[in-house]
Amino acid sequence: EMVLTQSPGTLSLSPGERATLSCRASQNVFSNYLAWYQQKRGQAPRLLIFGASSRATGIPDRFSGSGSGTDFTLTIRRLEPEDFAVYYCQQYGSSPYTFGQGTKLEIK
Amino acid sequence: QVQLQESGPRLVKPSQTLSLTCTVSGGSLTTGHYYWDWIRHHPGKGLEWIGYIHHSGSTYYNPSLESRVSISVDTSKNQFSLRLTSVAAADTAVYYCVRERGGFDRVFDSWGPGTLVTVSS
Repeated sequence: EMVLTQSPGTLSLSPGERATLSCRASQNVFSNYLAWYQQKRGQAPRLLIFGASSRATGIPDRFSGSGSGTDFTLTIRRLEPEDFAVYYCQQYGSSPYTFGQGTKLEIK
Repeated sequence: QVQLQESGPRLVKPSQTLSLTCTVSGGSLTTGHYYWDWIRHHPGKGLEWIGYIHHSGSTYYNPSLESRVSISVDTSKNQFSLRLTSVAAADTAVYYCVRERGGFDRVFDSWGPGTLVTVSS
């Protein structure tokens, strides 16, 4: 089973700043089949990014994904108040699908 | 826009069977190229994929749960269901029913709100 390790566990930033979240896989992610989800308190996760770098429908362009192989990054430029949430990476290149443990983005 | 809603008992006793149903509205689960999944979120921990079903009835489960899990579909009711046998406290979690895209990018693009199921005597 592929293990995804996200860092940092918690990221404290202010609105307007840039956030950089990391996801490292225990082995190469086939075809960069990696997604990012945002989860706000009391809500279900929401798909942000798929295929490592493609934004899902309706996702603002301040969200961007990059990376390949075993190292992936979610970048949020100019944080908005509604961006403070927990972010998960997930791989769908090999079975079983697995998720990272999450990065909590909190207001500084 | 498709919507999913979980239903079922919120409290299950240890060693018994957890049963949940997901009702799909706003679209048929037989149209388009989708799979229908269950994912759970343990309190204070990460997300765990349980398995999926296609409207044809084909299924695939997480090997870690395969011996205890089954997912079924009722196309006449536009519902799919989860059964997890021999539950223990470690099965306490928020359970989500989720739509998974078919094709190359097998991602989870629609989620139910989730339901907390507690395993306790």
